[in-house]
Amino acid sequence: EVQLVESGGGLVKPGESLRLSCAASGFTFSNYNMNWVRQAPGRGLEWVSSISSSRSYIYYVDSAKGRFTISRDNAKNSLYLQMNSLRADDTAVYYCARVSDIVVVPAARPNWYFDLWGRGTLVTVSS
Amino acid sequence: DIQMTQSPSSLSASVGDTVTITCRASQTISNYLNWYQQKPEKAPKLLIFAASFLQSGVPSRFSGSGSGTDFTLTISSLQPEDFATYYCQQSYNTPPYTFGQGTKLEIK
Repeated sequence: EVQLVESGGGLVKPGESLRLSCAASGFTFSNYNMNWVRQAPGRGLEWVSSISSSRSYIYYVDSAKGRFTISRDNAKNSLYLQMNSLRADDTAVYYCARVSDIVVVPAARPNWYFDLWGRGTLVTVSS
Repeated sequence: DIQMTQSPSSLSASVGDTVTITCRASQTISNYLNWYQQKPEKAPKLLIFAASFLQSGVPSRFSGSGSGTDFTLTISSLQPEDFATYYCQQSYNTPPYTFGQGTKLEIK
């Protein structure tokens, strides 16, 4: 079965760290760029970080720069998010999401979209 | 960063109705626009990519259109399982992959 399964969430105090994992199965993980997306309670979706298939390109939302580190182990079919110096506003469900793409117009950039999502893992930052 | 604005923020409709949700980008994004559906306590699900391409397995009552800055998601003949929150997302100028704020579709 093609799926993504997140783990590693929990309750931590402000300033503490947490490492999220996302286990991929049913597809060739090493062929895909991957992302983390979060959703605070009662709020919308917020993209957090991206990593390319070969780890050549890594990006973060401004609020995560310097605190979060995305990584992957293609041999283990796994994606990670190391979160340090956690704050109350990091409280959210964290989803991992696979990126697929289509080239609609020849020679144009691909259209990227998130076609596979995990169920999410809840991170709560509270004293 | 490109801002995505959806309207309305919430919407009430009845089974069998046709509804339209609008997404506007703060600058032109060509057709680099995706739509997702999210039900309570569930992960988002891709419906439409590249503005108008229907994801495999998604019912044909869902359709997307638009280009440039203005996009629409249309759901024809609403079914009970369609009541959910819908998000648009731009993938033109990334990062970040900006989402709209969401449109909650409720049963009237």
